[in-house]
Amino acid sequence: GDSVTQMEGPVTLSEEAFLTINCTYTATGYPSLFWYVQYPGEGLQLLLKATKADDKGSNKGFEATYRKETTSFHLEKGSVQVSDSAVYFCALSDRADDKIIFGKGTRLHILP
Amino acid sequence: EPEVTQTPSHQVTQMGQEVILRCVPISNHLYFYWYRQILGQKVEFLVSFYNNEISEKSEIFDDQFSVERPDGSNFTLKIRSTKLEDSAMYFCASSTGTGDSPLHFGNGTRLTVT
Repeated sequence: GDSVTQMEGPVTLSEEAFLTINCTYTATGYPSLFWYVQYPGEGLQLLLKATKADDKGSNKGFEATYRKETTSFHLEKGSVQVSDSAVYFCALSDRADDKIIFGKGTRLHILP
Repeated sequence: EPEVTQTPSHQVTQMGQEVILRCVPISNHLYFYWYRQILGQKVEFLVSFYNNEISEKSEIFDDQFSVERPDGSNFTLKIRSTKLEDSAMYFCASSTGTGDSPLHFGNGTRLTVT
């Protein structure tokens, strides 16, 4: 079945460092891909999405490009802030009306 | 921006008791979901609901679980006889089911079974 694999955390970086969180997926079709973020004590918020190959999703300085050839959707940010500390989930959905399948999440700590 | 709201934010119950977790999805959404996140672990799909019936459920969603949309606004998850291992954060989500509308999640209900 479909699945998402993302890098193990926690990831600890200093403020203004470059961030990459790797994500790869397995799917039978052409899924939509998402990054969700969970801030401490809160629910899951959609950070960005891409619905087809070579699409780039972006939001709040974060970017991820849908790479069909490598089945990847890595999350990047050029300069992280303390407020970016959260758990980041890579996810996919086969159809717009289908459930979302999540990766295990990567906890990110940003040090001032 | 419209939100999915969940109540209560925290529920403590004794093993063997029944609990009902409540959710108010976004008003024009048609697809509803429950997910579970055991502390420190991945977010797991439980069930999806459309047109007043379950459209898909996971292996976790066994006979002790049920969902209902009792009126036009609420979407509930009932756990009939809670077990210690049901302790988790339960997230409700909803969507329109169209291509540009991913799932919108509530802030969750933390269920603690003692």
